[in-house]
Amino acid sequence: AAGVIQSPRHLIKEKRETATLKCYPIPRHDTVYWYQQGPGQDPQFLISFYEKMQSDKGSIPDRFSAQQFSDYHSELNMSSLELGDSALYFCASSLGESTIYFGEGSWLTVV
Amino acid sequence: QQQVKQSPQSLIVQKGGIPIINCAYENTAFDYFPWYQQFPGKGPALLIAIRPDVSEKKEGRFTISFNKSAKQFSLHIMDSQPGDSATYFCAASSWGDKIIFGKGTRLHILP
Repeated sequence: AAGVIQSPRHLIKEKRETATLKCYPIPRHDTVYWYQQGPGQDPQFLISFYEKMQSDKGSIPDRFSAQQFSDYHSELNMSSLELGDSALYFCASSLGESTIYFGEGSWLTVV
Repeated sequence: QQQVKQSPQSLIVQKGGIPIINCAYENTAFDYFPWYQQFPGKGPALLIAIRPDVSEKKEGRFTISFNKSAKQFSLHIMDSQPGDSATYFCAASSWGDKIIFGKGTRLHILP
């Protein structure tokens, strides 16, 4: 069965640079969620989209933005990167009120 | 404020033993309680989930016990194996809403 696809899997950026992470939800899923997981931490909710509209917002820094496109894929844009942004970023998707499935994550390292 | 409190932080059990991980919540609007298993460098994978209208759910060697009045739920792993060594997250949400994770329990099963 198709799963949530994230790219790139690994990314290394320097401080103050910009990074973009992409998420392709499970086909026909209409909701996308983004989470950030620091080393040894639990995943923290960043933002979600339902039918291409932002549906909820968590602890997402102002330097970050995200959107969901017409084909339901989503992108998380991170600017002015800081060392503390180094983390595993997960995308998850669901269809309406159903189980949420996570992707394998994108490792971001800021040096 | 941690909306989902999980304990213990880490747990070591002999093979064949029954590790028990406990979680508590405050928000009575939560009506969906999943458990996720995460291996290093991988995304959280849904293990088992329960709704508050049942007190217990069993899937294979994994059992969730749910106490609605106490606002507590727990995961039991029967006949634990070294391959069960992972980080386990309890979580809660209102059905279809973002998932709020507990802090996680690092489980190590000794061979």
